[in-house]
Amino acid sequence: DQQVKQNSPSLSVQEGRISILNCDYTNSMFDYFLWYKKYPAEGPTFLISISSIKDKNEDGRFTVFLNKSAKHLSLHIVPSQPGDSAVYFCAATLQGGSEKLVFGKGTKLTVNP
Amino acid sequence: NAGVMQNPRHLVRRRGQEARLRCSPMKGHSHVYWYRQLPEEGLKFMVYLQKENIIDESGMPKERFSAEFPKEGPSILRIQQVVRGDSAAYFCASSPGRGRFEQYFGPGTRLTVT
Repeated sequence: DQQVKQNSPSLSVQEGRISILNCDYTNSMFDYFLWYKKYPAEGPTFLISISSIKDKNEDGRFTVFLNKSAKHLSLHIVPSQPGDSAVYFCAATLQGGSEKLVFGKGTKLTVNP
Repeated sequence: NAGVMQNPRHLVRRRGQEARLRCSPMKGHSHVYWYRQLPEEGLKFMVYLQKENIIDESGMPKERFSAEFPKEGPSILRIQQVVRGDSAAYFCASSPGRGRFEQYFGPGTRLTVT
């Protein structure tokens, strides 16, 4: 039972354009969401997070949007750079619970020069 | 400011042997988590520990797997009598707790069972 879904296995964009990565969740109890970036043979790197009391959080080129009614979140990267090419994982957790992260399967982003 | 450290980075074991994976959390972090990633999959939670306590082991297989986080020293994930299906990347993460939910990951240990 996949509680966090990233339905696009891959995404290709041109350098300088916007990258939009999507994530859906099924468990309405989740109330904190995170995005991680992962390069091959390395551990995931934390990018940005959002609490369910917000609908947007921004950090430099990265913005995360949360639509609680649709159980959907997205990560926007503007402008995209070749160094952003990596696998992006969406994760969710429950504040006040064990704080374990539930991950999606990831989306491989390729930014073409 | 050292990040999460894991060793070894690569580990090869024959079927039936034991595997020990070590994790040192970031300085100041008291919460440790272990995750496993199979090929083409996301990371799956295994266990959450604080010093000398297992908080949540709901993701741990019932047999052969154990974890500890002693008062002194690194956290250890131990796999006894390894089988080919245990081949995966094992990641450790740490967080400071106290209402902070971001987890910071180590580089992982890639276990290969031959």
